[in-house]
Amino acid sequence: KNQVEQSPQSLIILEGKNCTLQCNYTVSPFSNLRWYKQDTGRGPVSLTIMTFSENTKSNGRYTATLDADTKQSSLHITASQLSDSASYICVVSANTGGFKTIFGAGTRLFVKA
Amino acid sequence: SQTIHQWPATLVQPVGSPLSLECTVEGTSNPNLYWYRQAAGRGLQLLFYSVGIGQISSEVPQNLSASRPQDRQFILSSKKLLLSDSGFYLCACSFRGGRTGELFFGEGSRLTVL
Repeated sequence: KNQVEQSPQSLIILEGKNCTLQCNYTVSPFSNLRWYKQDTGRGPVSLTIMTFSENTKSNGRYTATLDADTKQSSLHITASQLSDSASYICVVSANTGGFKTIFGAGTRLFVKA
Repeated sequence: SQTIHQWPATLVQPVGSPLSLECTVEGTSNPNLYWYRQAAGRGLQLLFYSVGIGQISSEVPQNLSASRPQDRQFILSSKKLLLSDSGFYLCACSFRGGRTGELFFGEGSRLTVL
């Protein structure tokens, strides 16, 4: 069964600290993995996208890693800011002729001053 | 680059009333279009997708319907809303023939059924 599991469900950190969010998936045949940021009451916005051959991708203070062997990904946020408070969603696509997209439930991050 | 417009942004409707949420896409042609519903603490649930005008596929049986009257217009409807229809609805698009199937989302519509 195609699944995407994220941990932790929620996380509280102090401004300026780093944090790492986890994503485990069982999606086949794997095509790509994306991390989205979703501010409260807004639509998700793509942060990074990685295909099978890519094991790291950065976007400013966000760095995503992918281990296709263990089917794990992480999103590392460096020097967190208050504006990083949001939900972070891991999304995995399977290429089955068309694309089948499976969403994780997200990690809710709270950054406090 | 593509832009996805959704309206209304928020909507409060009584049970049994009709619904119409509209989504339009700018900056691309022949997109694949999607309607998702997002429940609190859960992943996005795909409701409908469309690969062309008048072509609608439904992922789950429900009280809702979708239509695509124009290439870049996607409408989510209901004849009679249920309490369980409350939620955050997201319209999304992807490029036809894209290499990754990446999804681009609108700002969402918050529906509360009372």
